[in-house]
Amino acid sequence: DPKIIQKPKYLVAVTGSEKILICEQYLGHNAMYWYRQSAKKPLEFMFSYSYQKLMDNQTASSRFQPQSSKKNHLDLQITALKPDDSATYFCASSHSTSQNTLYFGAGTRLSVL
Amino acid sequence: QQQVRQSPQSLTVWEGETAILNCSYENSAFDYFPWYQQFPGEGPALLISILSVSDKKEDGRFTIFFNKREKKLSLHIADSQPGDSATYFCAATPQGGRALIFGTGTTVSVSP
Repeated sequence: DPKIIQKPKYLVAVTGSEKILICEQYLGHNAMYWYRQSAKKPLEFMFSYSYQKLMDNQTASSRFQPQSSKKNHLDLQITALKPDDSATYFCASSHSTSQNTLYFGAGTRLSVL
Repeated sequence: QQQVRQSPQSLTVWEGETAILNCSYENSAFDYFPWYQQFPGEGPALLISILSVSDKKEDGRFTIFFNKREKKLSLHIADSQPGDSATYFCAATPQGGRALIFGTGTTVSVSP
């Protein structure tokens, strides 16, 4: 059974709309992350959370807002979607933010038309 | 500015050969270097990692060679198998750092 669940697996949205990407981890980890993977680009770090608190934010745009309702949840809300937001978004977790071994979910593939 | 570089972008080897994947970095503060393996439709998974105090790390058929002076490392996949066909990412971070910086990946195809 997957230990990090991301929903949905595929998502199609229209420009200007808003979507929420869901992530739940069942590894008992205290740190969670969002990464973005675009075509021919490296995995790009976006956010890190520890005990539901924001630790790092490398995303310039405020259109991306992580939301943590529980310790094992870290959703990603994206507003005013643009075609350039099309990418696969990966959720990851680790024991703590000082523990560098990341475990990744299978990703949500977002296409913005 | 790409802090972690990988080459080649893609690589094809015959079954049984050794695949060599290269990685270089710029930040002298980086001292933890994991390699992740990713299959299509899946998230990356940790394969093997090395700390900068070591120059070699082996795990089965996978070996990392690390040259701190030149800021280079390589992943050797010995006796390559078709099941090794995947994309391999080199990553780096300062020990205890919060954000892994990934390279662009090397896609390996192993032909039977």
